[in-house]
Amino acid sequence: AQKVTQAQTEISVVEKEDVTLDCVYETRDTTYYLFWYKQPPSGELVFLIRRNSFDEQNEISGRYSWNFQKSTSSFNFTITASQVVDSAVYFCALSEGSRGANNLFFGTGTRLTVIP
Amino acid sequence: AAGVIQSPRHLIKEKRETATLKCYPIPRHDTVYWYQQGPGQDPQFLISFYEKMQSDKGSIPDRFSAQQFSDYHSELNMSSLELGDSALYFCASVGDSTDTQYFGPGTRLTVL
Repeated sequence: AQKVTQAQTEISVVEKEDVTLDCVYETRDTTYYLFWYKQPPSGELVFLIRRNSFDEQNEISGRYSWNFQKSTSSFNFTITASQVVDSAVYFCALSEGSRGANNLFFGTGTRLTVIP
Repeated sequence: AAGVIQSPRHLIKEKRETATLKCYPIPRHDTVYWYQQGPGQDPQFLISFYEKMQSDKGSIPDRFSAQQFSDYHSELNMSSLELGDSALYFCASVGDSTDTQYFGPGTRLTVL
């Protein structure tokens, strides 16, 4: 069965600090996709990043970077030089199968508070 | 760029009433998903449609039904509403050229 675990319930950092959000997943599929979504206080779900199971290359996109390691089933997300606008709940999600657009299984979320 | 549209954004109903939520996917997106997010919880998958046919089903109560129409918009019909149905309901859409679900702003349903 599939499962996504975000052990960090809440994190607080001071503005300009770097912060890493942890995500560990379980799946029996060999083909799957992993996502990070952001949910600000306004409530919408905003897509941030996507990675498929065949691509372990870690990348940086602006202030965001991610570390995907199949050996440890982890997909961690880092925000560099955090800003107050980064305050939100961040969800890690898993989609099984060759089509990344199959239904998503979400972790329980990590609430990030960036203190000015 | 056009996004997913959901209506209404807020809805207040009494117990045992019915509600209909609407979702208009991003143009040229043929797949629609519905999720329910209870207070302080993560979104839970309810049901999905691909090319107007139900493609997958999650934890959707029997009191709920949904369909996708010829213009690809979708409606979630909820009957005999219960207090526990109070939640944020999200619709997401996907097209053939993308592997990412893009979410609408959600409909906040309150059952009194």
